[in-house]
Amino acid sequence: QVQLQESGPGLVKPSQTLSLTCTVSGGSISSGSYYWSWIRQPAGKGLEWIGRIYTSGSTNYNPSLKSRVTISVDTSKNQFSLKLSSVTAADTAVYYCARGPPELHPWGQGTLVTVSS
Amino acid sequence: SSELTQDPAVSVALGQTVRITCQGDSLRSYYASWYQQKPGQAPVLVIYGKNNRPSGIPDRFSGSSSGNTASLTITGAQAEDEADYYCNSRDSSGKVFGGGTKLTVL
Repeated sequence: QVQLQESGPGLVKPSQTLSLTCTVSGGSISSGSYYWSWIRQPAGKGLEWIGRIYTSGSTNYNPSLKSRVTISVDTSKNQFSLKLSSVTAADTAVYYCARGPPELHPWGQGTLVTVSS
Repeated sequence: SSELTQDPAVSVALGQTVRITCQGDSLRSYYASWYQQKPGQAPVLVIYGKNNRPSGIPDRFSGSSSGNTASLTITGAQAEDEADYYCNSRDSSGKVFGGGTKLTVL
């Protein structure tokens, strides 16, 4: 059964770049025709889709974040990654990775990233 | 980018049936998927496609769609169904979530 696990710094300074990695276990990230997504959720608020990547490297991003987001994949490590540049306090959130779309399943447990000096 | 609209809160008596709805133009073309999120936990897929449940999801959860509205129905709601529910669908740029519905089981 495929499992996902987010990792990365829990604290990032304003104006810096947030970097997270999602490690896929229990299956190859390259097997099947899957997209792999990042989603975030500020405390007490709803879910926001950040973007997705196909194993070929093709990406789609949320237009509201597109200028600051880069998602990449490393099939040799069975990982995909998120970089969000020029962060502010508004980027403080729990960040999730998930397999998909069309449906997002399964999800990682999430990792809290706080933007603060 | 399209939007998906959900009622912020819905309540249901224990054992009764509740419908949670999601409205948006993209739902005329694409199916919604539905996610259950309990406090402090990651969202879990409960319904996808026309009306499909992942392994382990009870059959009291079902989905339907008509026009620009997708619905998640819980038939015989249980105390453990109290959670936030989010719909999700495709739009021109990728994916979009509804604002979420907080379900209270009375």
